Amino acid sequence: AQKVTQAQTEISVVEKEDVTLDCVYETRDTTYYLFWYKQPPSGELVFLIRRNSFDEQNEISGRYSWNFQKSTSSFNFTITASQVVDSAVYFCALSIRPNNAGNMLTFGGGTRLMVKP
Amino acid sequence: DAGITQSPRHKVTETGTPVTLRCHQTENHRYMYWYRQDPGHGLRLIHYSYGVKDTDKGEVSDGYSVSRSKTEDFLLTLESATSSQTSVYFCAISEPSSTYEQYFGPGTRLTVT
Repeated sequence: AQKVTQAQTEISVVEKEDVTLDCVYETRDTTYYLFWYKQPPSGELVFLIRRNSFDEQNEISGRYSWNFQKSTSSFNFTITASQVVDSAVYFCALSIRPNNAGNMLTFGGGTRLMVKP
Repeated sequence: DAGITQSPRHKVTETGTPVTLRCHQTENHRYMYWYRQDPGHGLRLIHYSYGVKDTDKGEVSDGYSVSRSKTEDFLLTLESATSSQTSVYFCAISEPSSTYEQYFGPGTRLTVT
């Protein structure tokens, strides 16, 4: 069975601070996919990034960056120079090798990020 | 944005009544999913569909049934609603590809009194 742990339930920072959201996963499969989703106060779920288990390159997209380390089973998410608009709940999720039945996601419990002005 | 709608968006119902939630997509995606979101649990898979009339159970399927008679529609039914089914329900879609992202609908907030 798969498991995703987001140990930080809530984080509060002041605008312009950097913040890292932790994600630790468990799976016995060697092929898997990791995702981050953002849920702003309006409630919708917004896809941010996908990583497959064969690609350990870190990725940067603007103020967002992701650090994937298979050795520690972690897929951490850093926001640089945080802004109030980054306030949201962030979910990390795991999917094992998709099959004919699709790719069911296992979600972590989420981290609520509050960015204060 | 993926064309996914959910109806109703909000519903209050009484314990013991049947409730049906609808997910409609315009993307012609093969896979559809129902999740529920509860504090501290993230999202948990209830049921999923991998084609018309092809469905299977997820992690928390007890008390729920689904049907998919058309590619675009995936219905979730609470056969006899209980207070423990008070939650926010999300539908998602995905398509076989190298990316496999799931795209989510806006959610339905269900309250069972």
